[in-house]
Formats: sequence, C-alpha cells, structure tokens
Amino acid sequence: DQQVKQNSPSLSVQEGRISILNCDYTNSMFDYFLWYKKYPAEGPTFLISISSIKDKNEDGRFTVFLNKSAKHLSLHIVPSQPGDSAVYFCAASARGQNFVFGPGTRLSVLP
Amino acid sequence: ETGVTQSPTHLIKTRGQQVTLRCSSQSGHNTVSWYQQALGQGPQFIFQYYREEENGRGNFPPRFSGLQFPNYSSELNVNALELDDSALYLCASSLEGLGKGELFFGEGSRLTVL
Repeated sequence: DQQVKQNSPSLSVQEGRISILNCDYTNSMFDYFLWYKKYPAEGPTFLISISSIKDKNEDGRFTVFLNKSAKHLSLHIVPSQPGDSAVYFCAASARGQNFVFGPGTRLSVLP
Repeated sequence: ETGVTQSPTHLIKTRGQQVTLRCSSQSGHNTVSWYQQALGQGPQFIFQYYREEENGRGNFPPRFSGLQFPNYSSELNVNALELDDSALYLCASSLEGLGKGELFFGEGSRLTVL
C-alpha cells in the first residue's frame, strides 16, 4: 500500500519551459513534505520543503504547492535547465514518524 | 563541513552471508537513518538511531540490525542475506528526530546478492 505516489515515472520538458512534478498521498496525518533530487551514483539531495500550515513555498526557481483537501502536492521548476535532469522524489511525514518516499519521477530537460 | 560518507560503495555477497555497511554522519548531526532503495523504487525506511539508541524502525525483519557509536557514526548489519536484499543502501544524517527537518544523504552502498 503506497502512501506516497508519483504516478508519472518520467517527464520530458524543453529547456526554459516549466517542469511540473506531481505527488499524491493517502495518509491524512502527513504534515510535512519534502522534495529530493537524485543524480546517478549520488545520494538524494534536499530541494525544498513545505509544512501543512502553508500551501506554497518558493525557493528560487523551485516552488512547491500543497493542496491538503486533494492530498496533492506539486513541484514547479521555472525555467527548467538541462542540469535539472535527475530523478525527483517526494517524501512525507507525520509528526514523530519516519519519512515515506514516493517511487520517483525521472525528469529530462532537453536542450 | 564534512558530508555523509558511506563505505563500501559497492559489494557483492552470496545468499546466506552477512554484510556490514558503514556511515559517518555529517559534522554536528546526532541522528542517523538508514534506507533501502530497490531498483525503480523510492527509499524505504529501515531504522533511525539517535544518541546510540534505535529511535524508530520500518517494516524490516530482525536480521536487519544497526549500531550507532559515540561519534554518531553508524553501522547497518544484515544477516542471512537473501536475493531481494540487493539494493542501494542509503544513510542519512540529520539534526532532528523522526519526520522533521532535512535529511542529508550519503552516496549509498550498492549491495548485490548472488
């Protein structure tokens, strides 16, 4: 039973355009969400987080949106760059519980 | 500031053997978590250590065990290896407890069980 889902295994976007990565969750107790990026042969690196008291958090080219009623969050990357090509993981946690990761979405940004 | 380092980076074992993976946490971090990432999947939580005590455990059998040392480095031990244990094992350190803050990951140890 996957509590965190990323239904798109892959996504291709043209350089300079917007990348939108989606994540859905089933556990209504989740109150903290993170996005990680992973390059081959490297560990995941933290991108951005959002707590359930907010519906948007922005950091440079990266913005995360949270829709609690739909149990959905999305990561927007604007503008997309070839260096953004990586696997992106969504992760969620409930208070005092471990992080649960989604299966990841492979983003390819085409020059 | 020294990041999270893991060793070995790759190793091959046979079914039934035992393996020990090692992790040095990021400087100043007192919490270490271990994750298993199978091919095509996201990282799955194995357990977390805080101040040398297990502080949470995922859905993994007892043959997965760990240790944390006074310098906050950690070991993951897996006994009686099975083919399905083949995966990337990720160590992550943090300043805060379960489900809080940010996890800082190492590059991982890729285990192949034949």
